[in-house]
Amino acid sequence: GNSVTQMEGPVTLSEEAFLTINCTYTATGYPSLFWYVQYPGEGLQLLLKATKADDKGSNKGFEATYRKETTSFHLEKGSVQVSDSAVYFCALSDQAGTALIFGKGTTLSVSS
Amino acid sequence: GAVVSQHPSWVICKSGTSVKIECRSLDFQATTMFWYRQFPKQSLMLMATSNEGSKATYEQGVEKDKFLINHASLTLSTLTVTSAHPEDSSFYICSARVTGTGGAGTEAFFGQGTRLTVV
Repeated sequence: GNSVTQMEGPVTLSEEAFLTINCTYTATGYPSLFWYVQYPGEGLQLLLKATKADDKGSNKGFEATYRKETTSFHLEKGSVQVSDSAVYFCALSDQAGTALIFGKGTTLSVSS
Repeated sequence: GAVVSQHPSWVICKSGTSVKIECRSLDFQATTMFWYRQFPKQSLMLMATSNEGSKATYEQGVEKDKFLINHASLTLSTLTVTSAHPEDSSFYICSARVTGTGGAGTEAFFGQGTRLTVV
């Protein structure tokens, strides 16, 4: 079945450091890929998405490229801020109207 | 973007009582909503898919008699935790996807979650 694997956390960085959170997936066909962010005590918000191979999703300085050859969708940001501290979830969907399949989540903690 | 509103955001109840959580799509119709449970420091576990006007589809291992789901209208789904016990304490989140164009790339919108504590 379809699944998402993302790197274990927590990830602890200093402000302005470079961030990479790895995400790989297993799916039949050509799924759409998402990164969601969850701030403490809140629900999830879409950070970015990509719907086909080689697409790059970007938002708020975060980027991720859909790599079909490596089945990956790694999240990157060149310079993190304290306000980026949150839990980040990689997810996929292979059909409209069905539930997203999530990775386990990676906690990011950024200190000043 | 579309808004999904979940209520209450937190609730404390006594063991043995029932608790109802509401999930509303505020500016779109949702024929399907999803209920997740999130354990501390863990991912979201899909509990069930709520279908408007029909029975919910539960994931394996989820007790349908304990977690009652009703989706009576295109904008409201409810999750009732019946005869709650301390092990039911968790963070419950609902979600909905806008139907129409976009296919598998259609964004899922999430409620703000409900923190349930059973004492």
